[in-house]
Amino acid sequence: EAGVTQSPTHLIKTRGQQATLRCSPISGHTSVYWYQQALGLGLQFLLWYDEGEERNRGNFPPRFSGRQFPNYSSELNVNALELEDSALYLCASSLNKRRGNEQFFGPGTRLTVL
Amino acid sequence: GQNIDQPTEMTATEGAIVQINCTYQTSGFNGLFWYQQHAGEAPTFLSYNVLDGLEEKGRFSSFLSRSKGYSYLLLKELQMKDSASYLCAVRDKNDYKLSFGAGTTVTVRA
Repeated sequence: EAGVTQSPTHLIKTRGQQATLRCSPISGHTSVYWYQQALGLGLQFLLWYDEGEERNRGNFPPRFSGRQFPNYSSELNVNALELEDSALYLCASSLNKRRGNEQFFGPGTRLTVL
Repeated sequence: GQNIDQPTEMTATEGAIVQINCTYQTSGFNGLFWYQQHAGEAPTFLSYNVLDGLEEKGRFSSFLSRSKGYSYLLLKELQMKDSASYLCAVRDKNDYKLSFGAGTTVTVRA
């Protein structure tokens, strides 16, 4: 069974640009979660999508946004990039909230803002 | 919201036992998870507790006391490959969001 996949593996942008990160969940999983892990810090919850809708977001500014497509894959967009946005962005998927317990993580996208 | 505390670092020798404590404060508890994360890699699931008591899975065990807001992860017969960061995470019953602690870096020495 294929795991959670993310692309790209690495992304280098400059301040003010926009970044798009992609995630494909495990087949059959309808929930997708996005986390930011800055160097030396714990995972910070960004966004949760379930069955195509945004269910919750963490304490991040509106320039962090995303969406979930009909096939349950997801996209995270970060506009007006700032240096402190440099981090590992992790996507996780789980069965829908009514049945799932465990979140499975993808390998992450390392975003570097110069 | 959630407030999750765990020690920053722990060191142990190969073959020994290490216990990583996690305390939490939450407005709505719906399970506690432990993840292992090797440097530069994604977290991998270790254990899940939603009821009080001990869950054992091979060399790893996890304990939960909901009334005390306390959990621990027990790693037995330590191996060098167990050197990693161990993350405690609590799930909110209202929004199913996982809130993570900062992680405990375990170093296993020969």
